[in-house]
Amino acid sequence: NAGVMQNPRHLVRRRGQEARLRCSPMKGHSHVYWYRQLPEEGLKFMVYLQKENIIDESGMPKERFSAEFPKEGPSILRIQQVVRGDSAAYFCASSTGTGDQPQHFGDGTRLSIL
Amino acid sequence: KQEVTQIPAALSVPEGENLVLNCSFTDSAIYNLQWFRQDPGKGLTSLLLIQSSQREQTSGRLNASLDKSSGRSTLYIAASQPGDSATYLCAVHQPGKIIFGKGTRLHILP
Repeated sequence: NAGVMQNPRHLVRRRGQEARLRCSPMKGHSHVYWYRQLPEEGLKFMVYLQKENIIDESGMPKERFSAEFPKEGPSILRIQQVVRGDSAAYFCASSTGTGDQPQHFGDGTRLSIL
Repeated sequence: KQEVTQIPAALSVPEGENLVLNCSFTDSAIYNLQWFRQDPGKGLTSLLLIQSSQREQTSGRLNASLDKSSGRSTLYIAASQPGDSATYLCAVHQPGKIIFGKGTRLHILP
């Protein structure tokens, strides 16, 4: 049983480019969550999605960041016009539901901005 | 707004000692509390998950307790080993999200 799969594991972009991070949830999981870990900081919640719906995006920066979880395919976290401050580890988690259903985490994507 | 605080931020102890990591949270309306381990540059390894109706969980040399009313959790590590060196994260589950502490960086001296 495959766990949460994130790709790429490492991504390098130059300032102004776009970054696309992908997350395939565990089989049977329809809830996806994205978290960001800035250098020397804790993990911070960004967004919670179900299939084709954004449920809570209270942790997303107001500009340049967007997320989707289409009916088919992985969840995508998209960062437009990247800046140095976007360098971080981005973690995805999935679950079967909310409440006390545990979230299972991927190994993360480490984004570096040159 | 839920806030999770971990004390100490860093800890160095000689091998073989027992140690306690502390976590406090401001809102007692939580589902679960979970302790993770994170090695440098790596992902999260789940250590223990305590459901809100439980008081503690044990796995090997690890024991985690939860006191919802006081907003506290502790992670007890017995007979520490150099391989225990890592950052330990306390995480509180709320509807639709997990709130993490900043972690305790643990260094076990051989």
